[in-house]
Amino acid sequence: EAGVTQFPSHSVIEKGQTVTLRCDPISGHDNLYWYRRVMGKEIKFLLHFVKESKQDESGMPNNRFLAERTGGTYSTLKVQPAELEDSGVYFCASSQLALYGYTFGSGTRLTVV
Amino acid sequence: AQTVTQSQPEMSVQEAETVTLSCTYDTSESNYYLFWYKQPPSRQMILVIRQEAYKQQNATENRFSVNFQKAAKSFSLKISDSQLGDTAMYFCAFMRQNRDDKIIFGKGTRLHILP
Repeated sequence: EAGVTQFPSHSVIEKGQTVTLRCDPISGHDNLYWYRRVMGKEIKFLLHFVKESKQDESGMPNNRFLAERTGGTYSTLKVQPAELEDSGVYFCASSQLALYGYTFGSGTRLTVV
Repeated sequence: AQTVTQSQPEMSVQEAETVTLSCTYDTSESNYYLFWYKQPPSRQMILVIRQEAYKQQNATENRFSVNFQKAAKSFSLKISDSQLGDTAMYFCAFMRQNRDDKIIFGKGTRLHILP
């Protein structure tokens, strides 16, 4: 089966611009998660979808971040406008049953200059 | 709040040696899951091993095993007969049971296997 796919793998944008990250989970996985790792720090939870619904968005840093999951399939994470501190690697993961662990994508490395 | 601490930012060992990565965590929960994830350079993170807190027996997956000490809240990963392909970032992670699906990660340990 195909794994979790993230696009793009890298993105370099200027401060104030908008960027949209995409994640395609494993087919049939109802749970989709976004995490972010800032250089040298922990991987931090951003939010969790169950199908198309936001189950937990407690980790979203501010209202410049908007996540959607259309029809319970792929998800997008938009950052608008981007700030320097938004730089990092954004990971997407999916699971059918989280207690067995997630399957991660390769991540999107976002650099805001 | 739950926290996960990995006290070794970076380690290097010779190929074929055994190496142990440390992890401690803090929680007031009695039932939870612990994980070790591995992220090779420029590749995706994969699950190495998983432990259920209610099980006393330490999990083992081929050359990877854990030393789970519940009272001490310690969850170390042992890699036996290390191979060059084991070079990666290793993340220890925690998830509460039946509360939410949120996995909490440590900062990671960068492991270098030297030829």
